[in-house]
Amino acid sequence: EVQLVQSGAEVKKPGESLKISCKGSGYRFTSYWIGWVRQMPGKGLEWMGIIYPGDSDTRYSPSFQGQVTISADKSTSTVYLQWSSLKASDTAIYYCASPGGYSYGSVAFEIWGQGTMVIVSS
Amino acid sequence: QSVVTQSPSASGTPGQRVTISCSGSSSNIGSNPVTWYQQLPGAAPKLLIYGNTQRPSGVPDRFSGSRSGTSASLGISGLQSEDEAEYYCAAWDDSLSGPVFGGGTKLTVL
Repeated sequence: EVQLVQSGAEVKKPGESLKISCKGSGYRFTSYWIGWVRQMPGKGLEWMGIIYPGDSDTRYSPSFQGQVTISADKSTSTVYLQWSSLKASDTAIYYCASPGGYSYGSVAFEIWGQGTMVIVSS
Repeated sequence: QSVVTQSPSASGTPGQRVTISCSGSSSNIGSNPVTWYQQLPGAAPKLLIYGNTQRPSGVPDRFSGSRSGTSASLGISGLQSEDEAEYYCAAWDDSLSGPVFGGGTKLTVL
């Protein structure tokens, strides 16, 4: 079964760093783009960026460029989303998602992780 | 504020047909295929429609999609209580060089 499994919920303080993960299984990890989507409390979906694990080609939404870093580890079939200094406004659910066999440009993300809740509070 | 807009809410009774609309611009919906997602309460989004009109395997044919100019629509026929969810449209945006999502429409089944 093709799936993305994300790391567990996090509670952090403002200014702390954080790295959350998304592990792919059931398919050739280096063949599918994997992206990240933010959903703030009670709000809609926002595209953050995407990485192609095969060559680490990474693209960011202008809204998130410089705010987060997306990386991949082929040896563990895992994609990461990290912050160097969290803010309260980073409180949200973060989903990883992949278009699978569809093209990245199709925006047809057929595989989703279960989501990781990140709470940033002093 | 999303560059792609949706009505915040829609409603219908069981068995009815409802339509959810999505409005964009020439840089997104006007020139790229539209995708629709369903997000049930407390769950991750699920791909419902891609390529304007195509349904992935397993999605009932009660769900249909269409696009005209810079707008798109999701139709749900034979409305069921389990269709109560948030629905999002999305498309590639040429100006942003990335995907954009609509703000979402909350569908209530009365």
